[in-house]
Amino acid sequence: AQSVTQLDSHVSVSEGTPVLLRCNYSSSYSPSLFWYVQHPNKGLQLLLKYTSAATLVKGINGFEAEFKKSETSFHLTKPSAHMSDAAEYFCVVSEGNNDMRFGAGTRLTVKP
Amino acid sequence: EAQVTQNPRYLITVTGKKLTVTCSQNMNHEYMSWYRQDPGLGLRQIYYSMNVEVTDKGDVPEGYKVSRKEKRNFPLILESPSPNQTSLYFCASSPRPGTSVYEQYFGPGTRLTVT
Repeated sequence: AQSVTQLDSHVSVSEGTPVLLRCNYSSSYSPSLFWYVQHPNKGLQLLLKYTSAATLVKGINGFEAEFKKSETSFHLTKPSAHMSDAAEYFCVVSEGNNDMRFGAGTRLTVKP
Repeated sequence: EAQVTQNPRYLITVTGKKLTVTCSQNMNHEYMSWYRQDPGLGLRQIYYSMNVEVTDKGDVPEGYKVSRKEKRNFPLILESPSPNQTSLYFCASSPRPGTSVYEQYFGPGTRLTVT
């Protein structure tokens, strides 16, 4: 069965500096991978998804992620953090059908 | 507007008092699912439904029931809630089951407290 590990439970950056949220996955097949964002008291919103096309995936709000099969990683990056990026981020892996496995989440804090 | 709605958004109840959390989507999605979110555990799937009258257990189904009588609605039923079911619950829907390409669309969440 697939699984996902988010390597940091909390990341703190200053506004205008780069963001890196790390995600490693385990899968027996060619998985699909997603990043979702959850702002306080809100539902989950899809940031981006990888589905075996281009390995560098661009999402909304300037985020992107690179699928690295050799490293089983799907890290989320953004060149310059904005205050509105403060939220919880979830990495998700799916091998198909209904089965989506969520990471434990990474809380991103952005300092002025 | 395409959306998944849940009601109520907040609920405080007592142990053993049956409750239902409703979920409705207006996107004609076939697949619907319920998750619970607990600190440090991410989201864990409770039940899912591939289509009308087709439901199945997720990872943490104990203490929950669901039904899918109509395509748009997927209520979550707690017949005898216990304090360990205090959590944040999310309903989600997806256009088509059987594929990993389609992302899930999430409702706003229901925060349940069982005392």
